[in-house]
Amino acid sequence: KAGVTQTPRYLIKTRGQQVTLSCSPISGHRSVSWYQQTPGQGLQFLFEYFSETQRNKGNFPGRFSGRQFSNSRSEMNVSTLELGDSALYLCASSFNSKNEKLFFGSGTQLSVL
Amino acid sequence: GQQVMQIPQYQHVQEGEDFTTYCNSSTTLSNIQWYKQRPGGHPVFLIQLVKSGEVKKQKRLTFQFGEAKKNSSLHITATQTTDVGTYFCAGRDSGAGSYQLTFGKGTKLSVIP
Repeated sequence: KAGVTQTPRYLIKTRGQQVTLSCSPISGHRSVSWYQQTPGQGLQFLFEYFSETQRNKGNFPGRFSGRQFSNSRSEMNVSTLELGDSALYLCASSFNSKNEKLFFGSGTQLSVL
Repeated sequence: GQQVMQIPQYQHVQEGEDFTTYCNSSTTLSNIQWYKQRPGGHPVFLIQLVKSGEVKKQKRLTFQFGEAKKNSSLHITATQTTDVGTYFCAGRDSGAGSYQLTFGKGTKLSVIP
């Protein structure tokens, strides 16, 4: 069974640009969560989708948005990039997320110059 | 909102010494999970604790969930160089409908051979 796939692996953008990150969950998993990881801040929750609906949202500005498609694949968009958005963005999937473990992808390393 | 605190932030041990990381939540948890992230890698699930006072062991690793379901610990006996990495606890609030998994900032373990 293939794991969680995130693309691209690395991205370099400049301030003010926008970026879209992609996540393909494990086959059969319907829940996709996104986390931002920066040194010293750990994993900060962005949002979680289940069956194309956002079920939970973290404390991030509206520049961060996401969506989930009918095949459970998910995308995350960040508009008007700021230097502080440089981070590793991790996607994680689970079957239903309520009491299950998360399977993480390798992440997308975003650098904003 | 829910907060999960984890201490210490860093721990350097001599190979063969024991190691413990502690996790405290501001709210009662329905369950708590532990993840390990190797340098350059992504978080990998280790274990989930659900019951009050639960203790689980995995070889040299011992996990505990507090009686009040607000704290947890991970203890590694006789550390090895393969234990190097960052250990994260993650908890789900016991409130109805809560699917968000909140991570602590992690404890980075270094093992000196």
